[in-house]
Amino acid sequence: DAGVTQSPTHLIKTRGQQVTLRCSPISGHKSVSWYQQVLGQGPQFIFQYYEKEERGRGNFPDRFSARQFPNYSSELNVNALLLGDSALYLCASSPGWGSTDTQYFGPGTRLTVL
Amino acid sequence: AQTVTQSQPEMSVQEAETVTLSCTYDTSENNYYLFWYKQPPSRQMILVIRQEAYKQQNATENRFSVNFQKAAKSFSLKISDSQLGDTAMYFCAFRDSGTYKYIFGTGTRLKVLA
Repeated sequence: DAGVTQSPTHLIKTRGQQVTLRCSPISGHKSVSWYQQVLGQGPQFIFQYYEKEERGRGNFPDRFSARQFPNYSSELNVNALLLGDSALYLCASSPGWGSTDTQYFGPGTRLTVL
Repeated sequence: AQTVTQSQPEMSVQEAETVTLSCTYDTSENNYYLFWYKQPPSRQMILVIRQEAYKQQNATENRFSVNFQKAAKSFSLKISDSQLGDTAMYFCAFRDSGTYKYIFGTGTRLKVLA
């Protein structure tokens, strides 16, 4: 089975622009989470969606938004990009909303803001 | 707020030897889950091992085992018979049973030497 996939792999934007990152979960998984990983740091939680509803939000500004589609894929949008948004953005999926569910990560999208 | 601390930024070990990576966490929760993830240079995050807090028995996965000390809030990872392919960043992560937000430590960079 295919794992979590993300697109694009790399992205270069300039300050003030907007970006959309995409994630396809493992087949059968209904929950998707997004993380930001700045170079040299651990991932920081941004959002979690389950059955197309937002179930959790991390400490990120309103410039960050996300949604989940009926096929459980997800998009992360970032508006008014800042230099500090440069990071690896990771998507993770899990089967459902159970306490035993484990998240499986995709390869990430490397965003560079110039 | 829950926190995860990895106090060893970098470690090295000779091939075939054993190495232990440290992790401490802080929480007031009683039910939670702990994870070790591996992030090789190719950057895809891979689950190494997980531990449920309600289980007293330490988790084991082949060459990987944990030493879970709930009272001390300590969760170390032991890698036996280290292999070159174990070279990676290792992240300790915490998740409480009520939410599915993962909190990651800052990581330990492990290098296995031939």
